[in-house]
Amino acid sequence: KNQVEQSPQSLIILEGKNCTLQCNYTVSPFSNLRWYKQDTGRGPVSLTIMTFSENTKSNGRYTATLDADTKQSSLHITASQLSDSASYICVVTYLTGGGNKLTFGTGTQLKVEL
Amino acid sequence: EAGVAQSPRYKIIEKRQSVAFWCNPISGHATLYWYQQILGQGPKLLIQFQNNGVVDDSQLPKDRFSAERLKGVDSTLKIQPAKLEDSAVYLCASGLGGTTEAFFGQGTRLTVV
Repeated sequence: KNQVEQSPQSLIILEGKNCTLQCNYTVSPFSNLRWYKQDTGRGPVSLTIMTFSENTKSNGRYTATLDADTKQSSLHITASQLSDSASYICVVTYLTGGGNKLTFGTGTQLKVEL
Repeated sequence: EAGVAQSPRYKIIEKRQSVAFWCNPISGHATLYWYQQILGQGPKLLIQFQNNGVVDDSQLPKDRFSAERLKGVDSTLKIQPAKLEDSAVYLCASGLGGTTEAFFGQGTRLTVV
């Protein structure tokens, strides 16, 4: 069964600190993995996208890693800001005869405090 | 470039009533998705269109949910009759297809009382 699991479920950190979110997947055949940021009351917005051959990709203070062998990904946030408070969702795309399919994790709820 | 537009933003209805949501995808995007996101969970795919054809509706509760994408552009999602457990955010997303990114609208928050 294609699944995406994220940890931790929720996280509270102080402004300026770093944090790392984890994503494990069993999706196959793998096409790509995206991290989305979802602010409260808004739709998800893509942060990074990684294909099978990519190990690391950065977008400002966000750095995603991918280990396709162990089927694990992480999202590292550096020097957190209050505006980073949101839900971070790991999404894995796989290919089927009917086209590409997206499998969503349940997300990590991050809260950044003063 | 305009994003994915959804309306209404919020809707409150009583159980057993009907409701419809509308989505206007990004121009030129052939793929359109409807997702249901229950509070505290990740989005769950309800239906995926490629142009005006259905690619995947395996998780759509067809006894009460229906969706159409006439002319392969705008789409509507209908619930008839609504149940309390249908309370959720309904997200529409669009993309060029293949493995390209899916762009999400802001969603419609439905509350069934």
